[in-house]
Amino acid sequence: TQLLEQSPQFLSIQEGENLTVYCNSSSVFSSLQWYRQEPGEGPVLLVTVVTGGEVKKLKRLTFQFGDARKDSSLHITAAQPGDTGLYLCAGGEGRLYFGRGTQLTVWP
Amino acid sequence: NAGVTQTPKFRILKIGQSMTLQCAQDMNHNYMYWYRQDPGMGLKLIYYSVGAGITDKGEVPNGYNVSRSTTEDFPLRLELAAPSQTSVYFCASSYSDRGNEQFFGPGTRLTVL
Repeated sequence: TQLLEQSPQFLSIQEGENLTVYCNSSSVFSSLQWYRQEPGEGPVLLVTVVTGGEVKKLKRLTFQFGDARKDSSLHITAAQPGDTGLYLCAGGEGRLYFGRGTQLTVWP
Repeated sequence: NAGVTQTPKFRILKIGQSMTLQCAQDMNHNYMYWYRQDPGMGLKLIYYSVGAGITDKGEVPNGYNVSRSTTEDFPLRLELAAPSQTSVYFCASSYSDRGNEQFFGPGTRLTVL
């Protein structure tokens, strides 16, 4: 049983396209984190969202935390090849539970 | 400031062999974690520690052991390696367990044949 469900599992797009990936749960989280992982490396934190309805922007990346604090989304505008990687959402108190991730490939 | 370091980077074991995966952090973090990552399965928590001398089981602890004798080091021991333990292992640390960033090491890719 996966506490955090991420969709889609795979996403392959052309440079310049926009995309959204989702992280959903039936549980309420006090905060959710988004990490990006590149091949051969460990995950690196992109953002933490803590307030229901919160929107955070990181250059071309926009993160949203659902009003009920059960879901989150990551929107990338004008994707670039450098955005390629595995995007993981994580949440929990005391220990993090990770989703299975969305593998994003951006082709030049 | 090296962050979180792991050794070795790669290892191949035969069934039944034992080994220790090393993890060290120089950020003076109290919280440390061991995860395994299998293709398409995200990260699963094996063990974690909230400080020197204190460890606790995560989701998938069977076949593994840990110790935390210092703040800096958190080794993971595999006894009687099995093919099911073929995976990539990540060590991480954090300042606290309340929504704080976890810093990950580069991983150890282990194959059990």
